[in-house]
Amino acid sequence: GAGVSQSPSNKVTEKGKDVELRCDPISGHTALYWYRQRLGQGLEFLIYFQGNSAPDKSGLPSDRFSAERTGESVSTLTIQRTQQEDSAVYLCASSPGAVSYNEQFFGPGTRLTVL
Amino acid sequence: ELKVEQNPLFLSMQEGKNYTIYCNYSTTSDRLYWYRQDPGKSLESLFVLLSNGAVKQEGRLMASLDTKARLSTLHITAAVHDLSATYFCAVNTDKLIFGTGTRLQVFP
Repeated sequence: GAGVSQSPSNKVTEKGKDVELRCDPISGHTALYWYRQRLGQGLEFLIYFQGNSAPDKSGLPSDRFSAERTGESVSTLTIQRTQQEDSAVYLCASSPGAVSYNEQFFGPGTRLTVL
Repeated sequence: ELKVEQNPLFLSMQEGKNYTIYCNYSTTSDRLYWYRQDPGKSLESLFVLLSNGAVKQEGRLMASLDTKARLSTLHITAAVHDLSATYFCAVNTDKLIFGTGTRLQVFP
């Protein structure tokens, strides 16, 4: 079956522009997560969606970052007025069910470069 | 705040040798994951450890969990070049908190 997909795979933008990153979770997975991975670093949690519950936004680094999810499907991560420090790989993951110990399945990531 | 620490951060080892990667975490959790990441690729799930004393093995890799010591280990037996990658542990409370990663290089 299809895994988690993300688009675009690469995005180069100029400082100050807005970008949108898309994530399509595995069908039927109710939980969706966004992470940021800077070069040579570990993963940094950004935001978590679970079904129709209010998202956990505790990892978003600033108000320039926002994310939406349509029901239990596609999610979009938006970064406004991008800065060079936003350059990173943005990874999306999904997991089945409402139980938090469920294994997360990761997408291939979007590599964002802010010039 | 939950902290997850791995050591070593970088490991260069010869083929055929054994080594262990350590993952320590700072708060109670009985759910721990190990992931592998190849350069430029996403994360691949290796092991899910759900209880104290859990041990899982896949090929040359074996993972264990000691929830009382808040420690997980990933043991590599008779390393081969194909194991070269970055390995992350992650602890699940209400979200996954990742360790810093261990970059493993296996050379002939």
